[in-house]
Amino acid sequence: DQQVKQNSPSLSVQEGRISILNCDYTNSMFDYFLWYKKYPAEGPTFLISISSIKDKNEDGRFTVFLNKSAKHLSLHIVPSQPGDSAVYFCAASGGQGAQKLVFGQGTRLTINP
Amino acid sequence: DVKVTQSSRYLVKRTGEKVFLECVQDMDHENMFWYRQDPGLGLRLIYFSYDVKMKEKGDIPEGYSVSREKKERFSLILESASTNQTSMYLCASTWGLSYNSPLHFGNGTRLTVT
Repeated sequence: DQQVKQNSPSLSVQEGRISILNCDYTNSMFDYFLWYKKYPAEGPTFLISISSIKDKNEDGRFTVFLNKSAKHLSLHIVPSQPGDSAVYFCAASGGQGAQKLVFGQGTRLTINP
Repeated sequence: DVKVTQSSRYLVKRTGEKVFLECVQDMDHENMFWYRQDPGLGLRLIYFSYDVKMKEKGDIPEGYSVSREKKERFSLILESASTNQTSMYLCASTWGLSYNSPLHFGNGTRLTVT
């Protein structure tokens, strides 16, 4: 039973355009959400997070939006750059911190020049 | 910068072998984790440890055990490797278990069991 789902295995975007990565969850107890980015041959690195008391969090070119009623979050990257090409994982937690993180399947983002 | 080092990048083992995956972190983090990453399944937690000699099962602990004798080192043990344990294994650490302590991952060990 996949509690966190990233339904798009891959996404291709032109350089300079907006990239939108989506994530859906089923567990209404989740109250903290994170995005990790993974390059080939490297471990995931933390990108951005959002608490359920907010509906938006911004960090430079990266913005995460949370729609609690739809149980949906999205990561926007504007403008997209070639270095953003990576696999992006969303993760959710329900009050117990890092040890209870549930990850999605990942979306491979390719930025085309 | 936090460094989490996994001793092997690639490992090939035979079915039935005992396999040790080693992980060392250099930031005095209390908490360490072992995940496996499989296509279409994302990252799944195998075990985590919140202190020396302390461990808790994650979501998929069957067929695995762990050892944490020193704070900086967390080992994953496959007692008798099987082909369904072929996977990418990722070690991670964090200083706390609260929301503002993201995981720091190693570069992974790709294990193939033949």
